[in-house]
Amino acid sequence: DAGVTQSPTHLIKTRGQQVTLRCSPKSGHDTVSWYQQALGQGPQFIFQYYEEEERQRGNFPDRFSGHQFPNYSSELNVNALLLGDSALYLCASTVGGTYSYEQYFGPGTRLTVT
Amino acid sequence: AQSVTQPDIHITVSEGASLELRCNYSYGATPYLFWYVQSPGQGLQLLLKYFSGDTLVQGIKGFEAEFKRSQSSFNLRKPSVHWSDAAEYFCAVGSNTGNQFYFGTGTSLTVIP
Repeated sequence: DAGVTQSPTHLIKTRGQQVTLRCSPKSGHDTVSWYQQALGQGPQFIFQYYEEEERQRGNFPDRFSGHQFPNYSSELNVNALLLGDSALYLCASTVGGTYSYEQYFGPGTRLTVT
Repeated sequence: AQSVTQPDIHITVSEGASLELRCNYSYGATPYLFWYVQSPGQGLQLLLKYFSGDTLVQGIKGFEAEFKRSQSSFNLRKPSVHWSDAAEYFCAVGSNTGNQFYFGTGTSLTVIP
């Protein structure tokens, strides 16, 4: 049973560019959340997708957008990259849009903006 | 506003000693509480969770945590630490509506032989 997978593992981009990160949830999960973890910090909630809609959003600008596909996989898009966007981006999946079930995390995508 | 505070940025313990990591939360309703561990270069692994019921919860790897509503705390404990427990530990609170989740800033644990 595959867990949460994310791609790519590492990514280097230049300021002003755009980036797309991908996440496939654990089998049987239909809810995907994205988090940004800056170096030395705890993960910060970006947004959650359930039933192909953004259900909740953290304190992140509109440069951060996402999408969920019918197979429950998800993308995180970041436009106009800033140096401060350099971080580990974590994807997590659960069931039914609720944390009543365990939230499983992927290994993350390390984004470096130069 | 919901928040999680982990007062200890870094803790060092000797192998075999007991461990307690502190976590305080701020949340208006009944929270869902979690402890996660993150090893260097790895994602997050769930150690244990509290939703309701018995306030002392058992987790994996010999960890336990106690929910104290009066103190808004959910401290993580282990009676005897192993060198492999060295990692970053995060406390988190999730809303019971299921669509908000907040992490603390983490406590880095060093284990000395």
